[in-house]
Parts: sequence; structure tokens; C-alpha cells
Amino acid sequence: GDSVTQMEGPVTLSEEAFLTINCTYTATGYPSLFWYVQYPGEGLQLLLKATKADDKGSNKGFEATYRKETTSFHLEKGSVQVSDSAVYFCALSHGGATNKLIFGTGTLLAVQP
Amino acid sequence: GAVVSQHPSWVICKSGTSVKIECRSLDFQATTMFWYRQFPKQSLMLMATSNEGSKATYEQGVEKDKFLINHASLTLSTLTVTSAHPEDSSFYICSASRDSSNEKLFFGSGTQLSVL
Repeated sequence: GDSVTQMEGPVTLSEEAFLTINCTYTATGYPSLFWYVQYPGEGLQLLLKATKADDKGSNKGFEATYRKETTSFHLEKGSVQVSDSAVYFCALSHGGATNKLIFGTGTLLAVQP
Repeated sequence: GAVVSQHPSWVICKSGTSVKIECRSLDFQATTMFWYRQFPKQSLMLMATSNEGSKATYEQGVEKDKFLINHASLTLSTLTVTSAHPEDSSFYICSASRDSSNEKLFFGSGTQLSVL
């Protein structure tokens, strides 16, 4: 079945460092790919998404490119801030009426000043 | 933006008791709500999908008699873990969709359940 694998955390970075959180997927067809972020004490929020190969999703300085050839959707940010500290979830969906999301394990990012 | 409130945020209970978790959409009517579970170091897994006024659809391997889901109104869904055991200890999250396309989901902040 479909699955999402993302790098295990925690990832600890200093402020202004470059961030990469790896995400790869296994799925039939052409799923949509998502990154969700969960800040402490809050619900998951959609950070960005891409619906077809070579699409780049971007938001709040974060980017991820849908790579069909490597089945990857790595999350990147050029310069992280303390406020980016959160848990990041990679997910996929085939859409449709139920739009079931299949999540990865989540990666905790801790940014130190 | 739309807000989904999940309560309680954490609960500790004795083995054999039942625990109810509430999920409310505060500023929109949710046609569909989803319940997820996450064990430590594992993926967030979909347990069931509930539509207002109808029976929930459970994912394979999820016991419907153990995890009772009620979606009696367009703003409230509840998950009751019946006769809880230590292996039910997990992080439970709900999400709600405001339309049938489920294009945009809004998540609760989760409930950490610990069964002693």
C-alpha cells in the first residue's frame, strides 16, 4: 500500500541555518503531496502542497519540489528562525471524495537562537 | 482561519475504563471528520472517517466496537475508547472538513491518552 517515509528527528539547528527534511513516498499513480506543520499546542496546519510532478510548493520561505523520478518531496528552507520550531509531517493523498491523507512519522525541528 | 477544538489535550485513565475525546469545529459546519492515531515513532494513521448522521467508516484493523465514533451534529464528533488497555495509549488527532471535497482539512491539537 501507499506509504510515506520521512527522516527521523529531532533536527536541531542554529538560527539562520539551512534546513532540509527528507521525505520519500511509495504510491500508485500520481498522488498529491503535502507538508503539514504542528506548532506546540496547536493543530496541524497545511504548510504547502504540490499536485503533480515537478510542481514546487512554497510558503513562509519553505519549499518542496515533487520529484516523480526519485519519489521524493523534501522540505527546504534557506534560513530558519526560532519560530520555525515545530513538528513537520509529510503526507500524500490520492484526492477524491474521501481525500484520505497518508502521513509520515513527523520530524521535530528545534531551532536554537 | 477555521478552528477545530479537541478536548481533552491529555488524559490518564485506569485500565478497563472508557475515555471520550471531543472534536468540535468552532466556526464552520464539518460535513466530514477524521480520526487519527499515532504511536511513538510511527506514522499518523487514519482510524476512521465520520459523516454527520451516518455510521463511521473504519480503516482496516481498527476495531469499531472498541473505538466508538459519534458524529451527531455538524460541529461535533466524539471518539470513545471503550475498556481502555495500556496498548491503547497513543496520541489521537481529529480533523474536520467543511465541504465534501475534503480539499482543505483543519486539525485539532491532539489528545495524549495514557492508560495505566
